[in-house]
Amino acid sequence: GENVEQHPSTLSVQEGDSAVIKCTYSDSASNYFPWYKQELGKGPQLIIDIRSNVGEKKDQRIAVTLNKTAKHFSLHITETQPEDSAVYFCAASIEGTGRRALTFGSGTRLQVQP
Amino acid sequence: GAVVSQHPSWVICKSGTSVKIECRSLDFQATTMFWYRQFPKQSLMLMATSNEGSKATYEQGVEKDKFLINHASLTLSTLTVTSAHPEDSSFYICSAPTGGFTEAFFGQGTRLTVV
Repeated sequence: GENVEQHPSTLSVQEGDSAVIKCTYSDSASNYFPWYKQELGKGPQLIIDIRSNVGEKKDQRIAVTLNKTAKHFSLHITETQPEDSAVYFCAASIEGTGRRALTFGSGTRLQVQP
Repeated sequence: GAVVSQHPSWVICKSGTSVKIECRSLDFQATTMFWYRQFPKQSLMLMATSNEGSKATYEQGVEKDKFLINHASLTLSTLTVTSAHPEDSSFYICSAPTGGFTEAFFGQGTRLTVV
């Protein structure tokens, strides 16, 4: 089955700086890679996703890059704000073959210092 | 985005009793829903896949007789923790994919505490 590794486990940045979280996956058949933000006591919220037919996707201050050959993908947050502080999870799945559950990374606790 | 509603958001129960958690897709139909469990400071671990009109599929190590799943309609799946014990205390989260893709929207989670 799929295995997703995520680094770092914790990340502290100053407000306004950029934050980068990296994930690797093991199953070359995986083709869908979402990122979730989870605040304390709440369910994960989808913030951005990317499919294997593109290498980069951007949405305002958030961007995701994908390297299929190396089987890794990254989340980039620019101009971080205190409200970006949360736990971020990457995930991987295979689309097109039925409803597949996501395999999650271990999570990154991001703290943005004001 | 699509809305998935989970109820209750928290519950405290006595050891040996059963607890039911509901997961509803509010603005779309979900033939499949997923149930996850999350321990403090850990990632989400898939427990089972709930299929409308058929039996749920459980992950290895998850007791199907303890975690009963019913998916009786296209908008509702329920998870019942039977004969709950303190070690069942956790954060339970459901999700549902929409459309033809895997995009999964999650409920707000249920914090279960067994005393």
